[in-house]
Amino acid sequence: SQQGEEDPQALSIQEGENATMNCSYKTSINNLQWYRQNSGRGLVHLILIRSNEREKHSGRLRVTLDTSKKSSSLLITASRAADTASYFCATDARFYGSSNTGKLIFGQGTTLQVKP
Amino acid sequence: KAGVTQTPRYLIKTRGQQVTLSCSPISGHRSVSWYQQTPGQGLQFLFEYFSETQRNKGNFPGRFSGRQFSNSRSEMNVSTLELGDSALYLCASSWGQGPIYGYTFGSGTRLTVV
Repeated sequence: SQQGEEDPQALSIQEGENATMNCSYKTSINNLQWYRQNSGRGLVHLILIRSNEREKHSGRLRVTLDTSKKSSSLLITASRAADTASYFCATDARFYGSSNTGKLIFGQGTTLQVKP
Repeated sequence: KAGVTQTPRYLIKTRGQQVTLSCSPISGHRSVSWYQQTPGQGLQFLFEYFSETQRNKGNFPGRFSGRQFSNSRSEMNVSTLELGDSALYLCASSWGQGPIYGYTFGSGTRLTVV
């Protein structure tokens, strides 16, 4: 079963616009990660935010985390056609000595289409 | 440095057969995890190995098994294949045991069961 949900399921925007994707999860986490997947290929790690962080930036990416609401958002600014992909959030509930080691729980993903 | 290498990239098998998929992690990475991705169920965790020991296993039947070798390379095996096993199988490697490390994924093996 999936940890949470992503919203929206699909998003279509014009090049240059910003894209915002949201992710909700259910359990306590150590960190939350965002991945990108191009058309049935492998996942590319974008950014990791720890549970004690509220916001993180990496290039055109901005991630926020609200542990009280168990939610996160990914903002891609000034989008490009090359950003067209599926985006997944994944939670890592690993704790030292716990049985959840090495296990990421993924959302269903948001499919982003950026039109040139 | 080289990324995570999964072989083969594509595989077609017949129902009832068995299959072995291979994953070579990034040099120095000791954790290897396996995931199954299908349109209906999304990305689901299969199992994770660290230093040749399985540390965690997802909710999959016993037909799904894996192992890790001393050089950290990992294999997963699916016996008595079913049509529903058709999926993209992804392997991910990570350096450490702690909660601060992201994962590097391979390009996956696309398994089709006919």
